[in-house]
Amino acid sequence: SAVISQKPSRDICQRGTSLTIQCQVDSQVTMMFWYRQQPGQSLTLIATANQGSEATYESGFVIDKFPISRPNLTFSTLTVSNMSPEDSSIYLCSVDSSGRPDTQYFGPGTRLTVL
Amino acid sequence: GENVEQHPSTLSVQEGDSAVIKCTYSDSASNYFPWYKQELGKRPQLIIDIRSNVGEKKDQRIAVTLNKTAKHFSLHITETQPEDSAVYFCAASNGQAGTALIFGKGTTLSVSS
Repeated sequence: SAVISQKPSRDICQRGTSLTIQCQVDSQVTMMFWYRQQPGQSLTLIATANQGSEATYESGFVIDKFPISRPNLTFSTLTVSNMSPEDSSIYLCSVDSSGRPDTQYFGPGTRLTVL
Repeated sequence: GENVEQHPSTLSVQEGDSAVIKCTYSDSASNYFPWYKQELGKRPQLIIDIRSNVGEKKDQRIAVTLNKTAKHFSLHITETQPEDSAVYFCAASNGQAGTALIFGKGTTLSVSS
């Protein structure tokens, strides 16, 4: 499976600020996904990022709050804008498998704490 | 849209016992069902998956069964070991490239020695 890295691994931020999370893959992938995992909870999809097109957001998530970039087939960013304590979560990117497009592998996650 | 229910939320077993986690789904179009294991502070790791053209799949001590008629699938872990202790998530999707995985709420498995 692809090697996926995320930066930063964790951060503590002040409310009202923004943080950009990077996801890098060691091979070209078609789809990249961004999930949120609130403390002790399951994973919820924020949006799907396909290279060369606008990200597709799930219900409850909007582009103004979570802008996403996908400049090429190995990289994506998620920005958490105008943060509040409720945004404290783990943010994970995932990628599909070139051999099995329905299969997803996850990055190590970014642990965000908003004060 | 798809809804995935997972039970139990917590499961405690003795080392060597078997553990079973069950999930149900609502969308009959779903045909791909992966299971992820997440250890504390780590990323979810895909441990096994099943597609709707088979009813059962095994990989050493873990197996997954699928009943499409009843819309449920289960994870079976035999001869449990302390290192099996983790949160397990089931998920479902329609198997199309780029389709989101819909996750269950997770089961915290504790294996005591």
